[in-house]
Amino acid sequence: DVKVTQSSRYLVKRTGEKVFLECVQDMDHENMFWYRQDPGLGLRLIYFSYDVKMKEKGDIPEGYSVSREKKERFSLILESASTNQTSMYLCASSSSVGNSPLHFGNGTRLTVT
Amino acid sequence: AQSVTQLDSQVPVFEEAPVELRCNYSSSVSVYLFWYVQYPNQGLQLLLKYLSGSTLVKGINGFEAEFNKSQTSFHLRKPSVHISDTAEYFCAVRGYSSASKIIFGSGTRLSIRP
Repeated sequence: DVKVTQSSRYLVKRTGEKVFLECVQDMDHENMFWYRQDPGLGLRLIYFSYDVKMKEKGDIPEGYSVSREKKERFSLILESASTNQTSMYLCASSSSVGNSPLHFGNGTRLTVT
Repeated sequence: AQSVTQLDSQVPVFEEAPVELRCNYSSSVSVYLFWYVQYPNQGLQLLLKYLSGSTLVKGINGFEAEFNKSQTSFHLRKPSVHISDTAEYFCAVRGYSSASKIIFGSGTRLSIRP
């Protein structure tokens, strides 16, 4: 079974802090994704990566950056956290075959105060 | 570009009743279609997917979905729901390219009444 692990289930940070959300997958998947989930808005894509050191902006990249130094790890970085970044963050991975589904982690609920 | 519309944000049904969750999509290219389920306090997991061939797709937990190309729809159905089906359900589309994004609908919350 594919396992996607997000390092924290819950995080509380202060406005202006730099925040790192970590995600690791164990299935040698090429593609990795970061989404944020907000009530009534579904999942919105922040960034994705289809190879090591490659990254592509999603639909809402502002205020975020990412890092993919190793194939299995994809990090989401909030350079200066703001209260409007309070949300559930979901990491996912998939193989590069176009019809492959996403495999999700359990999510990190981030609260910025 | 693709988009996905789930018209119903909430669907309440009684236990053992049938249910249909609606999904419509728009795309200028051919797409793969997916339904995901999210149980409380968990990530999303794949329920079923349509790739090609038969338009009726069967998934886990007794769910099925029918692809209708002319109506650009991919509605999810179950003939008899259980309390354990209480969850949020997301429809998604993905283009054929290996680097294409997956676009999700806004979700439908299914609540089952005993």
